[in-house]
Amino acid sequence: EDKVVQSPLSLVVHEGDTVTLNCSYEVTNFRSLLWYKQEKKAPTFLFMLTSSGIEKKSGRLSSILDKKELFSILNITATQTGDSAVYLCVRDTSGTYKYIFGTGTRLKVLA
Amino acid sequence: DVKVTQSSRYLVKRTGEKVFLECVQDMDHENMFWYRQDPGLGLRLIYFSYDVKMKEKGDIPEGYSVSREKKERFSLILESASTNQTSMYLCASSLNRDQPQHFGDGTRLSIL
Repeated sequence: EDKVVQSPLSLVVHEGDTVTLNCSYEVTNFRSLLWYKQEKKAPTFLFMLTSSGIEKKSGRLSSILDKKELFSILNITATQTGDSAVYLCVRDTSGTYKYIFGTGTRLKVLA
Repeated sequence: DVKVTQSSRYLVKRTGEKVFLECVQDMDHENMFWYRQDPGLGLRLIYFSYDVKMKEKGDIPEGYSVSREKKERFSLILESASTNQTSMYLCASSLNRDQPQHFGDGTRLSIL
């Protein structure tokens, strides 16, 4: 089945901790894998990964894709309460406009 | 910055009503999408449009229709609203197939 599986489902950490969110998928025929952050409303775009092994970085967030092992990780260092959100991993589908969404990891950062 | 605007944040309608959800983007994007988001089910694609007047069914089109008369506007229509259409509805747009989708803030629709 064509699924995107995220782990853990939820996570509670304290400010300053480093977290790693995992995303695994089942097919190899796709162009890109994306990460979004969803707080109370719209998912906001974080990263688009198209090449294996190349880390993308934005401030305290970074992400990498491993196309051989079929997974991606999202790292957040020195977490802050504002990082509390659901993080969505999304895979596009080659030849179509469709996205396959994971069900997300709910992160809560305590002060 | 990309701006995707949905006309209502919250909407309450009655069973059997015809409901219109509006979405406007200001970045001249080719593609526009309508999703619904439900707990435990994630985001599911209802319809999308890759050009003006062009539309394609997503994974759950039953009970919905769409309209794209102008490039910047994509409307979702619930022909005869039912209680199982109570959900969060998210609109998104993308420049093309190789660029990420950007989402509006969502419309939380309740059908009573």
